[in-house]
Amino acid sequence: GAVVSQHPSRVICKSGTSVKIECRSLDFQATTMFWYRQFPKQSLMLMATSNEGSKATYEQGVEKDKFLINHASLTLSTLTVTSAHPEDSSFYICSGVPDRAFGYGYTFGSGTRLTVV
Amino acid sequence: AQKVTQAQTEISVVEKEDVTLDCVYETRDTTYYLFWYKQPPSGELVFLIRRNSFDEQNEISGRYSWNFQKSTSSFNFTITASQVVDSAVYFCALSDSTSGTYKYIFGTGTRLKVLA
Repeated sequence: GAVVSQHPSRVICKSGTSVKIECRSLDFQATTMFWYRQFPKQSLMLMATSNEGSKATYEQGVEKDKFLINHASLTLSTLTVTSAHPEDSSFYICSGVPDRAFGYGYTFGSGTRLTVV
Repeated sequence: AQKVTQAQTEISVVEKEDVTLDCVYETRDTTYYLFWYKQPPSGELVFLIRRNSFDEQNEISGRYSWNFQKSTSSFNFTITASQVVDSAVYFCALSDSTSGTYKYIFGTGTRLKVLA
């Protein structure tokens, strides 16, 4: 159980365009979703925390207008990278948390490798 | 402040050797959770183990074992008789209530290379 599906797995886009990444919880309701970014050979850095039906909470240094997060339902959260630039090229990964099941080992999506050319 | 330190950036061992990955954490919470994840070259994160702060019982699961010591704030991970398929980046993570959301704080990861 607790499967998170993330799409697309890879995307290449032109500089200046926007890219949407979807994260779906397939067999549980994710009241909270976390979005992480990982640059090559680096650790995972939390970008934002999204709660269903409310605005996302962004970590310090993350531009909320550039990384739009929508968590409109208990099974879907999306991250849109707006006006992408080469420096946004990274591995983006989401994780879902069943209702108040903090600390039980979050399930991660398989990640999205974004390349901006 | 929350912090996870994985001092070993890269370890190389020969197949069948035992290897221990170190993890030291910092938190002011009395209730917290510790995790180990494996990230193979494909990128997905594979959950290995979870420990809460009230459970210091060490665990063995097949070739994997974990040593949790609150006195030294360490949560080390040992692979016995390593195999080439164990080659991956291993992340230690801490989750506590400091932020109110139990978000994960990841260490910088240890890249394990198991040579045939």
